[in-house]
Amino acid sequence: EVELVESGGGLVQTGGSLRLSCAVSGFTFSSYEMNWVRQAPGKGLEWISYISNSGGNIYYAASVKGRFTISRDDAKSSLYLQMNSLRVEDTAVYYCARFGERWYFDYWGQGTLVTVSS
Amino acid sequence: SFDLTQPPSVSVSPAQTASITCSGDDLGYKYVCWYQQKPGQPPVLVIYEDTKRPSGIPERFSGSNSGNTATLTISGTQALDEADYYCQAWDSSTVVFGGGTKLTVL
Repeated sequence: EVELVESGGGLVQTGGSLRLSCAVSGFTFSSYEMNWVRQAPGKGLEWISYISNSGGNIYYAASVKGRFTISRDDAKSSLYLQMNSLRVEDTAVYYCARFGERWYFDYWGQGTLVTVSS
Repeated sequence: SFDLTQPPSVSVSPAQTASITCSGDDLGYKYVCWYQQKPGQPPVLVIYEDTKRPSGIPERFSGSNSGNTATLTISGTQALDEADYYCQAWDSSTVVFGGGTKLTVL
């Protein structure tokens, strides 16, 4: 059974940092492209970052570029998101999601809540 | 930047057909997928590659994509289909989501 479990969320002050983790099981992690998607309270889905299965290609949304860093550790079957210079508008539930063959998210984690307070 | 536009809300009576649109420039040249999201839960993929249903998704969910518009159709809508629905596409190395449509089953 495919499972994605996020952790690392919490309350942080403006300008602070957090590192999110996503531990996966039930599939060969190294073979799949992965993403982070977030959802602010009461708002829609916002994609924030992609990493290829090799880690050689990485993309970011304009809203987080230069502040967030995506990475992966295939040996640990884990995906990470380092978030720096956090802003109030970064408050959201953060999901890790697996990319299917043609750019769709076929599996999602349950999400982890990040709250940025001023 | 590439944008996807959805109506904020759609209402449908039980057993009737609901259609949710997603519009974007030349969207028919891209693969579109759709997600269903219920309160407090992560999204669930209901349609991918324009028309395909993942395993476990009921046959009443179908999709199409042509020109500038993709459409999610729910035939014989049930009360349990009440949820938010999001379209999504891939453009220029970015994932783009539509703003979401709240489907109300009256």
